[in-house]
Amino acid sequence: AQSVTQLDSHVSVSEGTPVLLRCNYSSSYSPSLFWYVQHPNKGLQLLLKYTSAATLVKGINGFEAEFKKSETSFHLTKPSAHMSDAAEYFCVVSEGENDMRFGAGTRLTVKP
Amino acid sequence: DVKVTQSSRYLVKRTGEKVFLECVQDMDHENMFWYRQDPGLGLRLIYFSYDVKMKEKGDIPEGYSVSREKKERFSLILESASTNQTSMYLCASRLQGADTQYFGPGTRLTVL
Repeated sequence: AQSVTQLDSHVSVSEGTPVLLRCNYSSSYSPSLFWYVQHPNKGLQLLLKYTSAATLVKGINGFEAEFKKSETSFHLTKPSAHMSDAAEYFCVVSEGENDMRFGAGTRLTVKP
Repeated sequence: DVKVTQSSRYLVKRTGEKVFLECVQDMDHENMFWYRQDPGLGLRLIYFSYDVKMKEKGDIPEGYSVSREKKERFSLILESASTNQTSMYLCASRLQGADTQYFGPGTRLTVL
């Protein structure tokens, strides 16, 4: 069975500095991988997804993630943080149509 | 745009009460899901439905049941609410065969 580990429960950055949210996964097959974002009191919104095409995936709001099979990682990055990026981020692995596993989440704080 | 709505944003119930959480989607999606979200645990799947009147247990179905009488509506039922069911409940929908789920804004349920 697949699983996902988000290595940091909380990340704090200053506005304008890079963001790195780390995610490692475990899967027996070639998984699909996703990053979702949840702003306060809102539902989850898809940021980006990897489904066995290009290993570098670009998403909305300037985020991107790189699938590294050798490291079983799918880290989320953004070159320059904005105050509006403050939210909770979830890494998700899926091996099948109705089988998505969510990480515990990483709360991103952006300081002015 | 896909829209997933949930009947209540906040709900307070007493132990032993029967609780209904409603979810409606407007994109004719076949698949619908109920998750609960708890700090440090991410999202955990309670039940999902792949079509009308069809349901499957997720990872934590105990204490819950579901109903899907119409394609657009998926209800989560707590037969006898308990304090350990205090949580955020998220509904999602997805087109059959697609990989992206669309989430509602969530219902924060407190059981006293």
